[in-house]
Amino acid sequence: EAGVTQFPSHSVIEKGQTVTLRCDPISGHDNLYWYRRVMGKEIKFLLHFVKESKQDESGMPNNRFLAERTGGTYSTLKVQPAELEDSGVYFCASSQWRAGGSYEQYFGPGTRLTVT
Amino acid sequence: SQKIEQNSEALNIQEGKTATLTCNYTNYSPAYLQWYRQDPGRGPVFLLLIRENEKEKRKERLKVTFDTTLKQSLFHITASQPADSATYLCARPAGASNTGKLIFGQGTTLQVKP
Repeated sequence: EAGVTQFPSHSVIEKGQTVTLRCDPISGHDNLYWYRRVMGKEIKFLLHFVKESKQDESGMPNNRFLAERTGGTYSTLKVQPAELEDSGVYFCASSQWRAGGSYEQYFGPGTRLTVT
Repeated sequence: SQKIEQNSEALNIQEGKTATLTCNYTNYSPAYLQWYRQDPGRGPVFLLLIRENEKEKRKERLKVTFDTTLKQSLFHITASQPADSATYLCARPAGASNTGKLIFGQGTTLQVKP
């Protein structure tokens, strides 16, 4: 079974540019999460999809971030325009629903975003 | 607000010894706690989940405890090996409803020396 994949693995862009990150979850996983780790800080939640619907986007920093999950399969996270503070590692995770709620999450390798 | 606190200092131990990592949480006790392992350049990998009503859980050389009085979980690796060297993350669900949204600690880096 293929794991969660993310593309690109690393992106270096200039302030003001646009970047789009992609995540392919494990097939059949309805739940898809985006997290971010800024250097020196803990991994922080950004948003949660259930199939194609946004369940919770309370962690999105501002309206420069736009996430989509068309068709309930892969997801994209677009940052436009990028700012210096957006630098960090963006992780995607997916999980299945179980009785009582979703539990363990399967993480992708992350996309390291550097904004210069 | 809900927080997870882990000792951010690296833990260095000798091969064969037991490593013990601490996770403290604030606010009310979560329905469960999760432990993940993260290697450099990789995403976290799920290891164990322990529920609020479970005192202890084991998986091979791993053991996790959950003390709701101390608001603490301990993560033990017995007979540690250099391959166990990694960063270990503790996480709790955010809020009372179990949507899967997790709050992570900063992680504790374990270094096992041969």
